[in-house]
Amino acid sequence: GENVEQHPSTLSVQEGDSAVIKCTYSDSASNYFPWYKQELGKGPQLIIDIRSNVGEKKDQRIAVTLNKTAKHFSLHITETQPEDSAVYFCAASTTGSSNTGKLIFGQGTTLQVKP
Amino acid sequence: IAGITQAPTSQILAAGRRMTLRCTQDMRHNAMYWYRQDLGLGLRLIHYSNTAGTTGKGEVPDGYSVSRANTDDFPLTLASAVPSQTSVYFCASRVGENGELFFGEGSRLTVL
Repeated sequence: GENVEQHPSTLSVQEGDSAVIKCTYSDSASNYFPWYKQELGKGPQLIIDIRSNVGEKKDQRIAVTLNKTAKHFSLHITETQPEDSAVYFCAASTTGSSNTGKLIFGQGTTLQVKP
Repeated sequence: IAGITQAPTSQILAAGRRMTLRCTQDMRHNAMYWYRQDLGLGLRLIHYSNTAGTTGKGEVPDGYSVSRANTDDFPLTLASAVPSQTSVYFCASRVGENGELFFGEGSRLTVL
């Protein structure tokens, strides 16, 4: 089955700097790659996603890149702010198979943005 | 807007007891999921259901069972709780195979 590895486990940056979180996946059939943000005491919430037919997607200060050949994808946050501090999860899933719809998550990255 | 409601929010349970975590969604989503979250391990899929009447096993299904009698409810049962099932459990749902996954607020379970 699918396996998703996420690095780093913790990341500390100064306010205004950029943050990059990287994930690799094992199943070449995976075609959907979302990123979730989890604030303390809350459930995760979707912040951005990318599908296998594109290599990059941007939404204001966040962007995601996908390299299907290497089977890795990354989250980029620019101009970080203290409210970006949270746990971030990457995930991968496939469609059209017995594994349809199963979203497998990485281990999570705790991002701390220092004022 | 309720979204996904989980109950209880927190529970302490003696080992060997039976426990059911409840999950209800009001978005009429077809697919529902149960994850457990443990430090350093992220979110691991326990069981899922792509539509009412069907269920499937995730990454860590042992010791857990689910049912999907209707679209809205997806309870998770621990038949005989063990300390290794101490975790935060999240229920989630989405419209189709690759739509946005919506999470509940979680149920914190401690098994002593």
